[in-house]
Amino acid sequence: NAGVTQTPKFQVLKTGQSMTLQCAQDMNHNSMYWYRQDPGMGLRLIYYSASEGTTDKGEVPNGYNVSRLNKREFSLRLESAAPSQTSVYFCASRGTGTAINQPQHFGDGTRLSIL
Amino acid sequence: DAKTTQPTSMDCAEGRAANLPCNHSTISGNEYVYWYRQIHSQGPQYIIHGLKNNETNEMASLIITEDRKSSTLILPHATLRDTAVYYCIASQAAGNKLTFGGGTRVLVKP
Repeated sequence: NAGVTQTPKFQVLKTGQSMTLQCAQDMNHNSMYWYRQDPGMGLRLIYYSASEGTTDKGEVPNGYNVSRLNKREFSLRLESAAPSQTSVYFCASRGTGTAINQPQHFGDGTRLSIL
Repeated sequence: DAKTTQPTSMDCAEGRAANLPCNHSTISGNEYVYWYRQIHSQGPQYIIHGLKNNETNEMASLIITEDRKSSTLILPHATLRDTAVYYCIASQAAGNKLTFGGGTRVLVKP
């Protein structure tokens, strides 16, 4: 019963390096989301994908790109990492079947430090 | 999404009911009230949601006032493992984002 799986769990990067955060869900959900959480703050939406083949910007998209690889997987890419992107990144998914008020389900996060 | 207002923190005794208030005075008719919690920097955990009727599940009960301007999450018998930050969110059912505010930091004490 995996739910939403994020890899890696921890990562340290140098400024200017690139990396991709991976997210996969096994609940057959249509919608997927990427959030970031800075210390002592609530989550902020970076990008989301309402369905396979679509992506849209959230509240804080600058410096990030996303790919909805298939229905299960939604990746987040940092092309040139900056110290301001040091944060905990959470992926979530949501089913959008017959009940339109389905909640989002979250992974355990990727803790990213950029030096 | 409508703005929600929650107390910054609260304590409660182990074994007692914990009542967490939330104000959402500008909530619109198609916005649901969702409750999540986050335990020690883990991913947010869904608790319960409702539109206008009171709801109950295995984790908690949600009481929504008749005018829908406020709600209360009730943890019936708080345990130490319920220590967490609790978020109240008003969101459209078909919306594609959740707006997390500061939440209420709940400390359950023995």
